[in-house]
Amino acid sequence: DTGVSQNPRHKITKRGQNVTFRCDPISEHNRLYWYRQTLGQGPEFLTYFQNEAQLEKSRLLSDRFSAERPKGSFSTLEIQRTEQGDSAMYLCASSQRNGYTFGSGTRLTVV
Amino acid sequence: AQSVTQLGSHVSVSEGALVLLRCNYSSSVPPYLFWYVQYPNQGLQLLLKYTTGATLVKGINGFEAEFKKSETSFHLTKPSAHMSDAAEYFCAVAGYGQNFVFGPGTRLSVLP
Repeated sequence: DTGVSQNPRHKITKRGQNVTFRCDPISEHNRLYWYRQTLGQGPEFLTYFQNEAQLEKSRLLSDRFSAERPKGSFSTLEIQRTEQGDSAMYLCASSQRNGYTFGSGTRLTVV
Repeated sequence: AQSVTQLGSHVSVSEGALVLLRCNYSSSVPPYLFWYVQYPNQGLQLLLKYTTGATLVKGINGFEAEFKKSETSFHLTKPSAHMSDAAEYFCAVAGYGQNFVFGPGTRLSVLP
C-alpha cells in the first residue's frame, strides 16, 4: 500500500495529557499537510510542510500544538496539555504537484 | 483568499434518482477544485478533481462534475443514486501548491 498512513487510528486521552500523532506520506510527495475536522464540519487547515520546512501555520495552531517533519519524510503532530476542545479527527495529506492524497485520520477523544 | 460554499447541509434522494450536490467557490488564483467523500469514522476519499483542461470531469463511482468559471461553480452529479452513495461530501478549492479550503459538507441520504 503506497497511500498516506496515519497512526494511531484512535486515541483516547485524559485532559491535560500530551499526545503525538504520526503521518507517513507517499514517499515521493514533498508536501505534507495537517488538517483538523470536528464533528459535522469540513476539515480545517492547520499547517503545511514542503520537505522539512514548515511553510505555513494556521492561527488554529495554538502554542500547545507543534508539528515537525524531520528529514522531510514522516511528520508528527504533538498536542500538549490537551483540552476537551481538541477532540477531533486529525487528517494528514501529502501531495506533489496536483496529487493530493489524504490518510484515514487519527480520531482524538479527550475525556 | 479562497472560500467554498455548499448549498444544502443535507440532501435526500430516492434510490435511482439524480444526485446533485452544489458547490460554489471563490479564488484569487486559478482554482484547483476537488470533491471528496467521507464515510462515517473514515478519512477523505477523492471522487474527482479539476486542475486544467476539460471542464467536465468524471470520477469514481459514476460521479462527475463540471467546472463553470462564469458561475464559479463545481457541482457534483450522478445520474442514478445508489444506497452505497449515502455519505458526507466535501467540495474543496486550492491554488497551485496551496493548502485546501474545504466547504462545510453536504450529507447525502439515499432513500429506498
